[in-house]
Parts: sequence; C-alpha cells; structure tokens
Amino acid sequence: DAGVIQSPRHEVTEMGQEVTLRCKPISGHDYLFWYRQTMMRGLELLIYFNNNVPIDDSGMPEDRFSAKMPNASFSTLKIQPSEPRDSAVYFCASKRGGTDTQYFGPGTRLTVL
Amino acid sequence: RKEVEQDPGPFNVPEGATVAFNCTYSNSASQSFFWYRQDCRKEPKLLMSVYSSGNEDGRFTAQLNRASQYISLLIRDSKLSDSATYLCVVNLADSSYKLIFGSGTRLLVRP
Repeated sequence: DAGVIQSPRHEVTEMGQEVTLRCKPISGHDYLFWYRQTMMRGLELLIYFNNNVPIDDSGMPEDRFSAKMPNASFSTLKIQPSEPRDSAVYFCASKRGGTDTQYFGPGTRLTVL
Repeated sequence: RKEVEQDPGPFNVPEGATVAFNCTYSNSASQSFFWYRQDCRKEPKLLMSVYSSGNEDGRFTAQLNRASQYISLLIRDSKLSDSATYLCVVNLADSSYKLIFGSGTRLLVRP
C-alpha cells in the first residue's frame, strides 16, 4: 500500500514567487494534516482537514498561506508571495478517523532565496 | 514555556548501553501521548504510544506520570540503528487530532 505522497520533494524559488506543494494521502484516510518543520520552531501544525473540510487553520502563519483539499485524494498548500523565512520542510500527514497514528509523507524541502 | 519540552541532547552512547529520554508537557488536560522517531532528513514515524500503565515494545519502554506531567522513553541494549531524533508528542485535550511535538532529543549510538 502506498504511503503519503508529496511533490515536489525539493523546491528552490525566489522571493515573491508563488509556491504550490502537493499531497496525496493514504487511500481511505479521512484526515489530512500539513506541518512545517524548522530548526528554530520544530514541527508545527499548520492546518488539518477532515473529509476534505478544513477544521483548524490556526497554525497558518499568515494570509500568504492557503490550503485546499478539493477531493479525498489530493491537497495543496500554497504560499503567495513566498519569503525567505518560509524556507522549511513541509510535511503532509494523514490518518484514519478513530485511530491515533498519523502517517507522514517524505516532505517537501523548500528554499526561498 | 513550551507546551512540550525535551532535552535536545545529543546523547552519545556506546552500543549496548541503556539510555533514557524525558519529556514534560504543560497542559494537564492532555489525553494522548506518543514517541515518534525521525531519522536525518526523513519524516517522523510513530515509535510507540504511551499509556498510563506504562508499556513496552521489545527494547523500548515508555512511561507516563500524569501527576508530574512527565513522559519517558527507555531504550535498552541500544543499536547503531537507534541513532535518530526522538520526538515527544502530546495530543491536546481541546482538539482530538492536534498533535503538539517536542523539539526532539537526538541520540547517537557509537560502535
């Protein structure tokens, strides 16, 4: 069974550009989470969805960040415009309702110059 | 004060050693507790859940002390492959699915 799939794995962009990160959760999982990991702040939850509906976006840093989940098998995290302080590893995770374990994707390493 | 605090380490131990990590959490109403493992430049993976009665999985033992708001992980007979960062994770009581991660404790097991 395929795990959580994220693309791209690496992204280097210039300040001011739009960045779109993509995630495909594990089939049958109805919860999807977006995290950001930096050396300074560790692993932080940005937003999570249940049945494609955003439930808690209190971790989204500012209006430059937006996330969507148009269907059960796809989600995007968009940063527009990107800034150097957005450089981090962005993880997507999914889980099945009623269970505790979240399964993480391999992450997208974003560098904003 | 951070919601979940861990000693960042690194803990540098020889193969075969026993090593213990500690973690404290600030929200006394927290309900669920976990240890995740993260290898360098990889994603976090669940190592084990932590139950009030304590639980063991092979060489790994996790303990929870709710009164002191303290979680521990003990690794016996450490292997080179145990080298990783160990993340203490707490599930906030106000949201069933919002996990709060500690900053991690780095373990290096040397030959």
